[in-house]
Amino acid sequence: EIVLTQSPATLSLSPGDRATLSCRASQSVGNYLAWYQQKPGQAPRLLIYDASNRATGIPARFSGSGSGTDFTLTISSLEPEDFAFYYCQQRADWPPYTFGQGTKLEIK
Amino acid sequence: EVQLVESGGGLVQPGGSLRLSCAASGFTFTDYYMSWVRQAPGAGLEWVANTHPYGSDKYNVDSVKGRFTITRDNAKNALYLQMNSLRPDDTAVYFCARERYGWGFDHWGRGTLVTVSS
Repeated sequence: EIVLTQSPATLSLSPGDRATLSCRASQSVGNYLAWYQQKPGQAPRLLIYDASNRATGIPARFSGSGSGTDFTLTISSLEPEDFAFYYCQQRADWPPYTFGQGTKLEIK
Repeated sequence: EVQLVESGGGLVQPGGSLRLSCAASGFTFTDYYMSWVRQAPGAGLEWVANTHPYGSDKYNVDSVKGRFTITRDNAKNALYLQMNSLRPDDTAVYFCARERYGWGFDHWGRGTLVTVSS
């Protein structure tokens, strides 16, 4: 089973800041990595698929990069609605699909 | 508009059973794998099981093997999760999710809460 480790666990930033979230895989997942955003009490929302492709309707301030074992989600300039939990997920080797433990992006 | 609506959650005693349902609309149900993903209170996301568009292949995570069964009824555009021998660590919100090939889980329901407790 591929283990995904996200860092940091919590990121405290202000609106307008640049956010950089990391996801590291225990073995190569190629580019088969997705990112999701989840707000409290809501379902997750797909942001990025295949490491760097924005899903439908996702603003351009969200971008993804990386391949193999190291991946980054970048939010170029934080909007108030971006403060949430973020999860990475691999589909390179399944079952099972696996998720990272999440990063909480909070307002500083 | 794609809609996924879960139902069937509730409080059940350890060792009990529950059947979750997911009603799908707004897309061609038979074009997609469908999954169940759960989230324990205050925890992250865990994929539970999925099924091929025509139910020919089904997969699940090891922790539910032999206890949970995923099925679908394409005539009703419905996805199900039969959960037997429930344990306290099965307590979670269970989400129904559509798998878009090459993308990931592109649409999710709002979830249904399952609580396993005596």
